[in-house]
Amino acid sequence: NAGVTQTPKFQVLKTGQSMTLQCAQDMNHNSMYWYRQDPGMGLRLIYYSASEGTTDKGEVPNGYNVSRLNKREFSLRLESAAPSQTSVYFCASSEDSYEQYFGPGTRLTVT
Amino acid sequence: AQSVTQLGSHVSVSEGALVLLRCNYSSSVPPYLFWYVQYPNQGLQLLLKYTSAATLVKGINGFEAEFKKSETSFHLTKPSAHMSDAAEYFCAVTKRGYSTLTFGKGTMLLVSP
Repeated sequence: NAGVTQTPKFQVLKTGQSMTLQCAQDMNHNSMYWYRQDPGMGLRLIYYSASEGTTDKGEVPNGYNVSRLNKREFSLRLESAAPSQTSVYFCASSEDSYEQYFGPGTRLTVT
Repeated sequence: AQSVTQLGSHVSVSEGALVLLRCNYSSSVPPYLFWYVQYPNQGLQLLLKYTSAATLVKGINGFEAEFKKSETSFHLTKPSAHMSDAAEYFCAVTKRGYSTLTFGKGTMLLVSP
């Protein structure tokens, strides 16, 4: 079992460029999440998908879109990257919300 | 709305000393509470959880936490710190039937020899 995998591990973008962060889980979990982690801010929820076919906004959704492609995959898209989106992005999955399994993260820098 | 407050962004202890990381929660209904740990350059992993069973919860690596409703607290403790415990620790809260967790801002545990 690979658990939760994320690609890429690192990315540098210029302001205005777009990109998609990929996340996949092999635990047959229903729920998947995207967080961003910034120093001193903890983890903040961007979007989540409680089940295949549904997505909902979290605390900080502006500037992001998501797609729950199937039960395994949940992608996060930045349409026009801004320096304020420089962060570490984590994907997580869970069967319920009580134990979430996290991926290794994507470090994104927007210049 | 639910929230957690972690007191102290950094806590320093000597190896072998007691570890105490503080978490207070705010919730209008009985909460479910969690501690996660993040080692450098890794994702988070669950240390322990409280979901309305026993109030003293034991987790991995010798950590435990006690749910105290009267104090709205869920502090994390370990009797004797190891160098390998150096990491960032996050408290989180949710409630029964809710789809998401709310995380605290984290406490960095530094362990010196």
